[in-house]
Amino acid sequence: ETGVTQTPRHLVMGMTNKKSLKCEQHLGHNAMYWYKQSAKKPLELMFVYNFKEQTENNSVPSRFSPECPNSSHLFLHLHTLQPEDSALYLCASSGLAQTDTQYFGPGTRLTVL
Amino acid sequence: GQQVMQIPQYQHVQEGEDFTTYCNSSTTLSNIQWYKQRPGGHPVFLIQLVKSGEVKKQKRLTFQFGEAKKNSSLHITATQTTDVGTYFCAGFGGTSYGKLTFGQGTILTVHP
Repeated sequence: ETGVTQTPRHLVMGMTNKKSLKCEQHLGHNAMYWYKQSAKKPLELMFVYNFKEQTENNSVPSRFSPECPNSSHLFLHLHTLQPEDSALYLCASSGLAQTDTQYFGPGTRLTVL
Repeated sequence: GQQVMQIPQYQHVQEGEDFTTYCNSSTTLSNIQWYKQRPGGHPVFLIQLVKSGEVKKQKRLTFQFGEAKKNSSLHITATQTTDVGTYFCAGFGGTSYGKLTFGQGTILTVHP
């Protein structure tokens, strides 16, 4: 499946580093999402974008900064992260109807040292 | 806020045995979706249920949506080793677009 791609697939960073995660969807969808998946918690919705506009910020710390320049691309900028931020970060996209399913990318496995 | 609880958290079965995971929401859902995540992979959509009391089948998988649209179940008949993975239910019941609430998932292990 190559409908939703994410880069990098693996990332190791120190707490003082700044890095960005990239997501691209080739499905013609207008909604994109960032999720965090850690060993201790289920899929946690972080951000939702509809037509490039952020419609949901699920109380995410400001050290995570999303950017959606167009409907096909989504970024997650990371700075001064904590070790507990280590997790699998998943991007997803969907259409705009309530019944539309979400298509997930392969994820970025992030380790914060 | 809306909560979706899923049980059991883990299930170990012998190949050929049946498996069921249950999903319960604190609020009425407009629809519920099921996803499967293989080890090392990402969630992949399986099916969506919309109608009260709806039952859908995909080969050995049977999905049900409760009459009150607050619970759902996934049943696998005669499990195979290819069924291993984590099964998530996800409910949509709020007014915020796209805000699916995922259950914590059931990790299925199938012993050959």
